[in-house]
Amino acid sequence: AQSVTQLDSHVSVSEGTPVLLRCNYSSSYSPSLFWYVQHPNKGLQLLLKYTSAATLVKGINGFEAEFKKSETSFHLTKPSAHMSDAAEYFCVVSDHNAGNNRKLIWGLGTSLAVNP
Amino acid sequence: ETGVTQSPTHLIKTRGQQVTLRCSSQSGHNTVSWYQQALGQGPQFIFQYYREEENGRGNFPPRFSGLQFPNYSSELNVNALELDDSALYLCASSLKGSTDTQYFGPGTRLTVL
Repeated sequence: AQSVTQLDSHVSVSEGTPVLLRCNYSSSYSPSLFWYVQHPNKGLQLLLKYTSAATLVKGINGFEAEFKKSETSFHLTKPSAHMSDAAEYFCVVSDHNAGNNRKLIWGLGTSLAVNP
Repeated sequence: ETGVTQSPTHLIKTRGQQVTLRCSSQSGHNTVSWYQQALGQGPQFIFQYYREEENGRGNFPPRFSGLQFPNYSSELNVNALELDDSALYLCASSLKGSTDTQYFGPGTRLTVL
């Protein structure tokens, strides 16, 4: 069965410094992986997705993630944090079970704080 | 192209009551998924509808039920509300057979007193 673990519940960085949000996954199949962001009192927005093409995936707002099969990781990075990046980030794996009934398996989230 | 919309935005109910939440999927999308997000938690999958039929269900009791209509809009119904049902309910639409990208609506905040 698929699962996803976000290794940090809270991350705090200074504005202009790099961001690293860590995610490990478990999957019996070739997974699809996603990062979503949720700003306070807002809906979920897709940042980027990996679907067995290039292992380095570029998303919106300067974020990118690298799929590393040997490490079963899909960490999210950004070279320089902006105040507007403060939000909750979710790592997600797509569950490819029998019958192709796909559903998303969500991590518990990482809260990113950006300090001035 | 219109995005995913949900109604109402906020709702207050009392224990034992029933509630219906609505979702209009993004134009061209034929699959709708519903999630429950409790405060401080990640979304939990409730169920998914594809072409008006349930297409997968999470670990939720039968008092959580749904419908999908020919225009692919959807309803989530919850009977016999409990205090723990208080949460943000999220609807996401997608195009089955694509790479699973789901697009979320803003959610409905349900409070059960």
